[in-house]
Amino acid sequence: QKEVEQNSGPLSVPEGAIASLNCTYSDRGSQSFFWYRQYSGKSPELIMSIYSNGDKEDGRFTAQLNKASQYVSLLIRDSQPSDSATYLCAVRAGGGNKLTFGTGTQLKVEL
Amino acid sequence: DGGITQSPKYLFRKEGQNVTLSCEQNLNHDAMYWYRQDPGQGLRLIYYSQIVNDFQKGDIAEGYSVSREKKESFPLTVTSAQKNPTAFYLCASRMSRSTDTQYFGPGTRLTVL
Repeated sequence: QKEVEQNSGPLSVPEGAIASLNCTYSDRGSQSFFWYRQYSGKSPELIMSIYSNGDKEDGRFTAQLNKASQYVSLLIRDSQPSDSATYLCAVRAGGGNKLTFGTGTQLKVEL
Repeated sequence: DGGITQSPKYLFRKEGQNVTLSCEQNLNHDAMYWYRQDPGQGLRLIYYSQIVNDFQKGDIAEGYSVSREKKESFPLTVTSAQKNPTAFYLCASRMSRSTDTQYFGPGTRLTVL
C-alpha cells in the first residue's frame, strides 16, 4: 500500500471552473501536509502547507485537511491555463524529518 | 540573490562512470535533501542531512554517496553501482526547528548513455 496516494489524472477542467485535487495518506500520525506544483521539466514549488483540520485559504487556493479520514485536498478556484501542471501532495509523519510524496495529479485547464 | 542552485542542469554519463551533482544554498538552512524523480513516479528520498558532517540514508540510497562538509553545500555522487541512474535529481533544503517546509532547487537531469 502506497503511503501517499493521488489519482494520476489527467484531470481536465474548463477555464474559470474549480479544480479539486485529492490525496490520501496511510500514516495516522502524520503532522504536516504540503501541496507543491510542478510544471513539466521544472522543480516543485510550494503552494500551501496545512497542519490543522479544516480549511486554509490563500488567494485562489484552498487546502482542506481531514485527519480522521486521512485525506487532504486542494481546491483551485477560477482555474487558469497557467494552472496546468502536476500537483504533488507531500506528508510528514509525526516525529520525522522526511516528507513522503505522492505520484502527483496532472491538471489540465482547457480554454 | 538567495536560493538553491544545482549544477549542471543536464549531465550525460557513460556507463561505469561516477558523477557528482552539485547543490548549494545561501538560505542558511540547516537541513538538505536529495530526491530522485522518475517519469510517473513521485519524489523518492536518496539522502538527507540535518547538520554539517552528518547525513542519513533515505529510501533509495544504494549506489549513491553524499558529503556535508559545509552548511551550504550537499553534493551527491552517483556511482557506477547505481544500476539505473537516468532520472531527474532534485535537491531541497529546510530551515530546521522553525519550519518543516522544504524548498527545491531547479534540478539536474542525468542521462546515462
